[in-house]
Amino acid sequence: GAVVSQHPSWVICKSGTSVKIECRSLDFQATTMFWYRQFPKQSLMLMATSNEGSKATYEQGVEKDKFLINHASLTLSTLTVTSAHPEDSSFYICSAMRTGSSYNEQFFGPGTRLTVL
Amino acid sequence: SQQGEEDPQALSIQEGENATMNCSYKTSINNLQWYRQNSGRGLVHLILIRSNEREKHSGRLRVTLDTSKKSSSLLITASRAADTASYFCATDDDKLVFGAGTILRVKS
Repeated sequence: GAVVSQHPSWVICKSGTSVKIECRSLDFQATTMFWYRQFPKQSLMLMATSNEGSKATYEQGVEKDKFLINHASLTLSTLTVTSAHPEDSSFYICSAMRTGSSYNEQFFGPGTRLTVL
Repeated sequence: SQQGEEDPQALSIQEGENATMNCSYKTSINNLQWYRQNSGRGLVHLILIRSNEREKHSGRLRVTLDTSKKSSSLLITASRAADTASYFCATDDDKLVFGAGTILRVKS
């Protein structure tokens, strides 16, 4: 159990377009999901915390108008990279925290590789 | 911001040897977690050690935590080629903050 999927697994887009990435918890409910960004050979940087039914909480330095997060249900959060530019190219990973978890137990998705041309 | 610092940055060993990775952090924590990441993939949770624990085992993994020194270590015994991956520590003080990671290569 505790499987998290991401779609798409990779995407290539032109500069200026918007890209939506989905994160789904397949066999559990997740009130809270997280979005991370990872550059090559670097660690994960938390971008935002997504809470079902409320606005996401963004980390310092992350533009909320550029990275739109929607957590419309207990099993789905989406990240939309608006007006993407080459510097947005990165590996985006989501995680989901099981509702009622006694500690910060996060289950990670397989990641989405975004390449902006 | 990144809190955990890990060393070494990269480690290359022969199959059968032990691998030790260290993690240091700066603030107080609720627990510390270790994750593994295969190249281009998501993270897999390995083990969690609570702030009131000093050592924990899980199969070939042994984790220690020294809150006075704000450091943790991950030991993988009898390494296998399949252990080749990046390993990250993550401190938990409400949200996970990941260390820089150690790239482990196990040669067969």
